[in-house]
Amino acid sequence: GNSVTQMEGPVTLSEEAFLTINCTYTATGYPSLFWYVQYPGEGLQLLLKATKADDKGSNKGFEATYRKETTSFHLEKGSVQVSDSAVYFCALDITNTGNQFYFGTGTSLTVIP
Amino acid sequence: KAGVTQTPRYLIKTRGQQVTLSCSPISGHRSVSWYQQTPGQGLQFLFEYFSETQRNKGNFPGRFSGRQFSNSRSEMNVSTLELGDSALYLCASGEGSSYNEQFFGPGTRLTVL
Repeated sequence: GNSVTQMEGPVTLSEEAFLTINCTYTATGYPSLFWYVQYPGEGLQLLLKATKADDKGSNKGFEATYRKETTSFHLEKGSVQVSDSAVYFCALDITNTGNQFYFGTGTSLTVIP
Repeated sequence: KAGVTQTPRYLIKTRGQQVTLSCSPISGHRSVSWYQQTPGQGLQFLFEYFSETQRNKGNFPGRFSGRQFSNSRSEMNVSTLELGDSALYLCASGEGSSYNEQFFGPGTRLTVL
């Protein structure tokens, strides 16, 4: 079947620290991969995406590379800020007929000054 | 452009009742998807509608149903409510092409007593 496994949280980092949130997936075909972010009290927002192997998605200093050989899509940021505190969701979309996303359980990140 | 709107934002029902949730997608979007978010199960896909037709369906019982109108607005109905249906129900809209971004609404918080 299709599923996403995400690093368990919560994660607490100091400002300017390096962030990695691990994400691995199982898919019956060739999925597109996404990272969504949910800030406190808000809905999910797309952070970045990659639609094929070796693609790198990037946005707001965050990066993730689609690794088909390791079925992974780890999220990284070189220097986190307090404003990055949120819940991060890894997701895949496998269908070629519309949208059917599979989400990971989410990783809560708190950045302290 | 206005974002995805969901009404109501909060709802309290008792077991056995039924409930209808509404979602208005971003103008021009023809795809509407529904997700259930709970602490235990995370985000789970319910179904997707495109041009008034259900295009994809998740693994939920028949008590969960939906429809989409000609203006792309969508409703989700849950009949014979159970305590376990308490969750945040998220609606997402998109242009309808595969592997594309979905834009999420703020959700409807349903509590079943």
